[in-house]
Amino acid sequence: AQTVTQSQPEMSVQEAETVTLSCTYDTSESNYYLFWYKQPPSRQMILVIRQEAYKQQNATENRFSVNFQKAAKSFSLKISDSQLGDTAMYFCAFIGGSQGNLIFGKGTKLSVKP
Amino acid sequence: NAGVTQTPKFQVLKTGQSMTLQCAQDMNHEYMSWYRQDPGMGLRLIHYSVGAGITDQGEVPNGYNVSRSTTEDFPLRLLSAAPSQTSVYFCASTELGQGGYGYTFGSGTRLTVV
Repeated sequence: AQTVTQSQPEMSVQEAETVTLSCTYDTSESNYYLFWYKQPPSRQMILVIRQEAYKQQNATENRFSVNFQKAAKSFSLKISDSQLGDTAMYFCAFIGGSQGNLIFGKGTKLSVKP
Repeated sequence: NAGVTQTPKFQVLKTGQSMTLQCAQDMNHEYMSWYRQDPGMGLRLIHYSVGAGITDQGEVPNGYNVSRSTTEDFPLRLLSAAPSQTSVYFCASTELGQGGYGYTFGSGTRLTVV
């Protein structure tokens, strides 16, 4: 069975600082995709960043970047220059192949403090 | 382009009542799914569909029914609501075989069963 584990239920960071959210996963698939979704208080699910397993280069989207360690099955999210608007729940998610179902971790609640 | 539309946004039910959560998408996505979100549990898959007339169970299907008569609509039915079904429900869709590019989520339905 495929699983996604987020070991940090809550985190906080000062505005303008950098924070890293952890995620590990377990799968026997060779082709898969990993995601970080942001859920602000509005409840909307927003795709932050995605990583294709067969690409060794870590994905980057503006202030958001990932550290993808395929052998260790680790997929952490780094947020640089944290902003108050980054305050949200962050979910790590996995999909095996292109036709599997999206599987979520339990989430990390991030608070950015002024 | 409305994306994924969920109705209602909020609902309070009495134990034993039935209701249908509506989900509609206008992107011609073959794949649609329902998740429930509970505190500390992340999003868990209830049911999914890969096309009209085809549905399958996810991780937590008990107490829920689905059908898919058209590509656009994927309603979720609670036959006899229980307090354990108090949750936030999300509908999501993607093109079949394109899940690796991410899902489009609705804005969610907050359901309270008293």
